[in-house]
Amino acid sequence: GPKVLQIPSHQIIDMGQMVTLNCDPVSNHLYFYWYKQILGQQMEFLVNFYNGKVMEKSKLFKDQFSVERPDGSYFTLKIQPTALEDSAVYFCASSTGPNTEVFFGKGTRLTVV
Amino acid sequence: GEQVEQRPPHLSVREGDSAVIICTYTDPNSYYFFWYKQEPGAGLQLLMKVFSSTEINEGQGFTVLLNKKDKQLSLNLTAAHPGDSAVYFCAVSAGQGGRALIFGTGTTVSVSP
Repeated sequence: GPKVLQIPSHQIIDMGQMVTLNCDPVSNHLYFYWYKQILGQQMEFLVNFYNGKVMEKSKLFKDQFSVERPDGSYFTLKIQPTALEDSAVYFCASSTGPNTEVFFGKGTRLTVV
Repeated sequence: GEQVEQRPPHLSVREGDSAVIICTYTDPNSYYFFWYKQEPGAGLQLLMKVFSSTEINEGQGFTVLLNKKDKQLSLNLTAAHPGDSAVYFCAVSAGQGGRALIFGTGTTVSVSP
């Protein structure tokens, strides 16, 4: 079936540095999402994105976070600067429409040291 | 905003037994309901998407029930087998214009032979 690809699968970064997580959504999808999952806990919504704009974001989407999808390429989540509590698995997802099936990637495990 | 409680957090069953996971949500406007399966190191696999108009939904090896009066969604694994061992998440969406999925806290299911 359709696949959302996330690159890399694991990233280790020093606290205070910038990190960009990349997501290659399903090709004809228009809605994009990022979720955060701390080890052993639930998946928590961060942000959704459509037509070049953030549509909705949660309290977890701190000022240090930003998303973009320049020229239809990767959908990215940038964290600048990173903090220890940003360590988690970040899942990207995409869908064709607001109420259609959402496809998830396998996640990028971010470790901030 | 929407809150989703999921129980139990852990479930151990023997092969052939049934297992029931229940989610309780708070927003009466919730319209779309989902069950996802997450295997170790993998992304989320959609098991079933349920519309608020359908109360009983049959899948392969499982049944999903929606009780709108009590705002409960349940997943019943019938005749569990070791391949069902995973973390299961329910998710709820109000279904308006790209609204985010709000996930339950997850249930770790272990099926022993």
